[in-house]
Amino acid sequence: GAVVSQHPSRVICKSGTSVKIECRSLDFQATTMFWYRQFPKQSLMLMATSNEGSKATYEQGVEKDKFLINHASLTLSTLTVTSAHPEDSSFYICSARDFTNYNEQFFGPGTRLTVL
Amino acid sequence: EDKVVQSPLSLVVHEGDTVTLNCSYEVTNFRSLLWYKQEKKAPTFLFMLTSSGIEKKSGRLSSILDKKELFSILNITATQTGDSAIYLCAVDLWGTSYDKVIFGPGTSLSVIP
Repeated sequence: GAVVSQHPSRVICKSGTSVKIECRSLDFQATTMFWYRQFPKQSLMLMATSNEGSKATYEQGVEKDKFLINHASLTLSTLTVTSAHPEDSSFYICSARDFTNYNEQFFGPGTRLTVL
Repeated sequence: EDKVVQSPLSLVVHEGDTVTLNCSYEVTNFRSLLWYKQEKKAPTFLFMLTSSGIEKKSGRLSSILDKKELFSILNITATQTGDSAIYLCAVDLWGTSYDKVIFGPGTSLSVIP
């Protein structure tokens, strides 16, 4: 199957700083990427849908000014957590939709964010 | 509001047992239903179901979709300890103004020797 990478896999930062997470589709072009957040023992919660060349669509309750999403190319989307706080500590997972492969979405390995 | 419900939320079985996991949904603009297995990191894909009544199989796992009753089941036969994981059901939605996948809460399966 197609491969999606995420970087970094783990990040620890101080409260008040900003953290950028990258999501790349390595062997296919992804016009649509999704960002999820997963807290311990909970399911994946969709944060936003990222479309190449246009603004992201955020789910209800997700602050767009706090979670900045940029989908500048067909293979790269970034999520920036601005002014991070301890409650933002979570597992962030991206996925990319491959329209040439039955619209299947492929997940990145996830990024574990810890805010001190 | 679109929603996906799974049951049971957790399950403990012995090796060799057969389990059935349930997923029901209430959504608009349904495109497909997806099953994933999640262990320590990101989910891994199991099945994608788009048509009612057609069983998909992969080894000891199988799944079927009922679009009239809006549910799906995931069966695992002859369970092994390696089947211990969280099983996530998700629904792929695609409308004129949106494109997204929403997940159910998951079923945590523990298989004990």
